[in-house]
Amino acid sequence: DAKTTQPNSMESNEEEPVHLPCNHSTISGTDYIHWYRQLPSQGPEYVIHGLTSNVNNRMASLAIAEDRKSSTLILHRATLRDAAVYYCIRFNSGGSNYKLTFGKGTLLTVNP
Amino acid sequence: DVKVTQSSRYLVKRTGEKVFLECVQDMDHENMFWYRQDPGLGLRLIYFSYDVKMKEKGDIPEGYSVSREKKERFSLILESASTNQTSMYLCASSFYGRGTLRLHEQYFGPGTRLTVT
Repeated sequence: DAKTTQPNSMESNEEEPVHLPCNHSTISGTDYIHWYRQLPSQGPEYVIHGLTSNVNNRMASLAIAEDRKSSTLILHRATLRDAAVYYCIRFNSGGSNYKLTFGKGTLLTVNP
Repeated sequence: DVKVTQSSRYLVKRTGEKVFLECVQDMDHENMFWYRQDPGLGLRLIYFSYDVKMKEKGDIPEGYSVSREKKERFSLILESASTNQTSMYLCASSFYGRGTLRLHEQYFGPGTRLTVT
């Protein structure tokens, strides 16, 4: 199935920017990149998604490389509430257009 | 706000028991999903449903079945619970979606932590 590669863990300080990388070297032209995060003791929540160009919303920014083989989720000012596991997911809008495959994600620790 | 609710936060069952996990969503979503989450393995899809009475196997359907008699409700059934089914179970829902992919966003419930002894 579609695979992405993320670091197991990252650490950041409060109020500093965080760049969470994701590699998806075998991405196809119709694959979108979705990011979800899971706070402790909660179900995952949607963060952002994109296809080719960079995207911004109230939670984060998504920077997608020109060759689309990698992307970076950017939290502009990390807060303690951003400590979570972040999942980068390839999502194909074709065939099984409702299926997300979660990897192991990146555990983000935010230091006060 | 979208609400996905699960019948229990914590459940303890004995080996061999039949277990029902219930999930209800209030946003008229076509798609509903059941995942399990285990340390070191991340989330794995068990079953999903894209319409009433429709279901498809996910990545790890063995030992599970599902039921979707009404659009808002999706049940996961463990026919004969075993200790290796001790896990966190997460339900999610989404629109089937046409056009903007924002509609494919999945909304998750809080999870049910099932322990089988």
